[in-house]
Amino acid sequence: KAGVTQTPRYLIKTRGQQVTLSCSPISGHRSVSWYQQTPGQGLQFLFEYFSETQRNKGNFPGRFSGRQFSNSRSEMNVSTLELGDSALYLCASSPRVSGELFFGEGSRLTVL
Amino acid sequence: QQQVKQSPQSLIVQKGGISIINCAYENTAFDYFPWYQQFPGKGPALLIAIRPDVSEKKEGRFTISFNKSAKQFSLHIMDSQPGDSATYFCAAANDYKLSFGAGTTVTVRA
Repeated sequence: KAGVTQTPRYLIKTRGQQVTLSCSPISGHRSVSWYQQTPGQGLQFLFEYFSETQRNKGNFPGRFSGRQFSNSRSEMNVSTLELGDSALYLCASSPRVSGELFFGEGSRLTVL
Repeated sequence: QQQVKQSPQSLIVQKGGISIINCAYENTAFDYFPWYQQFPGKGPALLIAIRPDVSEKKEGRFTISFNKSAKQFSLHIMDSQPGDSATYFCAAANDYKLSFGAGTTVTVRA
């Protein structure tokens, strides 16, 4: 069974630009979550989707948004990028158990 | 505000030794406590998990001990191997949201 696939793996943007990251969950997993990982703040929850509905949202500004499609694939978008948005963005899918997450390898975003 | 406190930040253990990582939480609504292992350049991988109605769970060389009244749980890695060198994160789940500890970097010396 294929794992969680995230694209792109690496990207460089400049301040003020926007970025869209994509995630394909494990087949059959309907829950998709996004996390931000930085050396200073660690792993922080962004949002979680199930059946195209956002069920939970972390404490991030409105510049961070996401969506889930009918095939469970998900995207997250960050608008008006700031230097502090440089991070590894991790997508995870889950079968049914809350907290049992299967992570992708992440999209590493660098904002210059 | 970090909801899950993890210690130590790093530890070094000799091959064959025992690694112990401790975590504490405050929110009694947490209902699932997983541990994740992360290697450089990779995403975290689920290692072992426990629910609050169980005091201990063992899978191979990895054991979780859980103390509900103290709101603490710990990971023991027995017979540590160089391949166990990684960063370990404890976490607590509620409502499909994971709160992670800050992580412990484990180095196993051969």
